[in-house]
Amino acid sequence: AQSVTQPDIHITVSEGASLELRCNYSYGATPYLFWYVQSPGQGLQLLLKYFSGDTLVQGIKGFEAEFKRSQSSFNLRKPSVHWSDAAEYFCAVVLPSGGSYIPTFGRGTSLIVHP
Amino acid sequence: NAGVTQTPKFRVLKTGQSMTLLCAQDMNHEYMYWYRQDPGMGLRLIHYSVGEGTTAKGEVPDGYNVSRLKKQNFLLGLESAAPSQTSVYFCASSYPRLAYYNEQFFGPGTRLTVL
Repeated sequence: AQSVTQPDIHITVSEGASLELRCNYSYGATPYLFWYVQSPGQGLQLLLKYFSGDTLVQGIKGFEAEFKRSQSSFNLRKPSVHWSDAAEYFCAVVLPSGGSYIPTFGRGTSLIVHP
Repeated sequence: NAGVTQTPKFRVLKTGQSMTLLCAQDMNHEYMYWYRQDPGMGLRLIHYSVGEGTTAKGEVPDGYNVSRLKKQNFLLGLESAAPSQTSVYFCASSYPRLAYYNEQFFGPGTRLTVL
């Protein structure tokens, strides 16, 4: 069965430090890949997405993610974290084959930012 | 454009009561989804719809029913609420026919408490 794993439930970083959130998937083919962010009390907002082409994708708010086919990973990075980045981050995948476009979400990683 | 809206934002029910959550989108999206979010569990898909008049079960459909009579609306019903249904409910929509538009757009959520 297809699955998405976010190994880190919580991550704590200091403001200004770099950040990497991990996401791994288990599929036979390369899926479409997404990262969403959820600020407290709000819905999810798309940060970035990968469909094909350049494996390093840029998103909003200074985030980027790199697709590594050999590792089945799509890790989210930011070079310098701001206090406003404290939120829940979700990785999601969509397997486009077979006409089904139903996303599968990871369980999320909660980012805590220390001043 | 309002995007995806959800009604109501908050609701408190007693065990055994029924209610309907309304989701509306003005983006002409084909797919609509209902998720529940519980601490540590991420987003779990309850039901989804791939078009007007169609519905399908997701990961956790028991105790819920849905209807998609109009393309822009997706209703989630609880016939006999149980405390285990206390959660935050999110609606989302997407337009998956073209890969570029596979991202989901989320509503702000409905916080439901069942006593």
